[in-house]
Amino acid sequence: SQQGEEDPQALSIQEGENATMNCSYKTSINNLQWYRQNSGRGLVHLILIRSNEREKHSGRLRVTLDTSKKSSSLLITASRAADTASYFCASKGAQKLVFGQGTRLTINP
Amino acid sequence: DVKVTQSSRYLVKRTGEKVFLECVQDMDHENMFWYRQDPGLGLRLIYFSYDVKMKEKGDIPEGYSVSREKKELFSLILESASTNQTSMYLCASSLPSWGTNEKLFFGSGTQLSVL
Repeated sequence: SQQGEEDPQALSIQEGENATMNCSYKTSINNLQWYRQNSGRGLVHLILIRSNEREKHSGRLRVTLDTSKKSSSLLITASRAADTASYFCASKGAQKLVFGQGTRLTINP
Repeated sequence: DVKVTQSSRYLVKRTGEKVFLECVQDMDHENMFWYRQDPGLGLRLIYFSYDVKMKEKGDIPEGYSVSREKKELFSLILESASTNQTSMYLCASSLPSWGTNEKLFFGSGTQLSVL
C-alpha cells in the first residue's frame, strides 16, 4: 500500500521563487528519498535523508525530516524553468521503497 | 553512470496477447524492480528481485510474472494482456539495501497500451 502522501498535488510559481513540497508517511522508516520525473520519462534520484538526520542540502535543494510527525519537505530555492517536473517522495521501510503520488511543479517564466 | 535500458518506449498490444517487457542494467546491481505508474495512483510495485532466479511479489502482482535469468536482465511478463494493464511501466535497479547507496536508478519507461 502507498505510504507517501504529498502536498500540494500541483504547484505553480514564478521563476526565481522558492518551491516547497511536503510529504507524509505512515510507518517507521530507515530513510526518505526524493525523486524527480520529467514528463513521460523515468524518475531521477535527487536526495536521500536518513532517519537520524533532520536536514540535508544539495545545491538548491533542501530536505527536512521530522520523524515525530512522519513528514518531510523538499525546498527548491531560486527556481528555474528547467525545474518544471513532478517530484516524488519515497519512504524506505524494512524492505522496499514506497512512493507518494507526487507533486506537479510548474515554473512560469 | 548507471544505465537502465527498457526495450521499448511505446508498445501497443491486443487484449489477450502475451507481452514481454525487458529491462537491462549495466552496473551489476543485485536488486531490480518493476513498477507501474498511473495518474492519481503514483508508482506501485509489481515485482522485485534481489538476485538471479529470485523474485518477490510487490503490491500488485496479479496478472504479471517476472523472469531473472541473468543478473543484468529483468523481464516483466503479462500472461494475457487486458485493457486495465494499460499503463506506464518503469524498471529500476539498485545496490543491496544494506549498502550505502540505496537509491533507485530508473529506466525511461514503457508506455503500454492494450486495445
